[in-house]
Amino acid sequence: DAGVTQSPTHLIKTRGQQVTLRCSPISGHKSVSWYQQVLGQGPQFIFQYYEKEERGRGNFPDRFSARQFPNYSSELNVNALLLGDSALYLCASSGIPLNEKLFFGSGTQLSVL
Amino acid sequence: KNEVEQSPQNLTAQEGEFITINCSYSVGISALHWLQQHPGGGIVSLFMLSSGKKKHGRLIATINIQEKHSSLHITASHPRDSAVYICAVPNAGGTSYGKLTFGQGTILTVHP
Repeated sequence: DAGVTQSPTHLIKTRGQQVTLRCSPISGHKSVSWYQQVLGQGPQFIFQYYEKEERGRGNFPDRFSARQFPNYSSELNVNALLLGDSALYLCASSGIPLNEKLFFGSGTQLSVL
Repeated sequence: KNEVEQSPQNLTAQEGEFITINCSYSVGISALHWLQQHPGGGIVSLFMLSSGKKKHGRLIATINIQEKHSSLHITASHPRDSAVYICAVPNAGGTSYGKLTFGQGTILTVHP
């Protein structure tokens, strides 16, 4: 079985643009969570989706949005990009939120110029 | 005070040494995760534990729920163990359902 896959692996955007990041969970996993990791810092929680519903949201502005599709894949959208949005965006999946081991994708490295 | 605190922040060891990384948390949890992150970003989940002790190869993780403390031990350390080790705890409450709060990480360097 494939692990958690994220696309694209790298992305360069300019300020004000919009970006969509994609995540495919491990087959059978229904929970997907998104994290932002700025260089030199630990990951910060953005969203958690389970069974296609948003179940948790971190302290991020409304420019950040996400959704989960019927096949449990997920997209993270960021509008009106700022320089400070430059980071590694990580997706993790599990069968059930909170109480199962997490499996992380390799991340999408976003650079905003 | 951070909700999840790790110590030490940096750890340097010689190959073969026994390593201990500590994690203390102040939030109520159902389980605690130990993660490993190598340069380049990839995160690997090492353990998820809610009580007692788990062992996988040279890695051992323990947790004391009453004391809100967990430790990650590496026996017979090897240079390939060099990485950032992160503990993370989930928050099941309110709008932060599913939120993982991460410790600041421990940078481990093992020299040959």
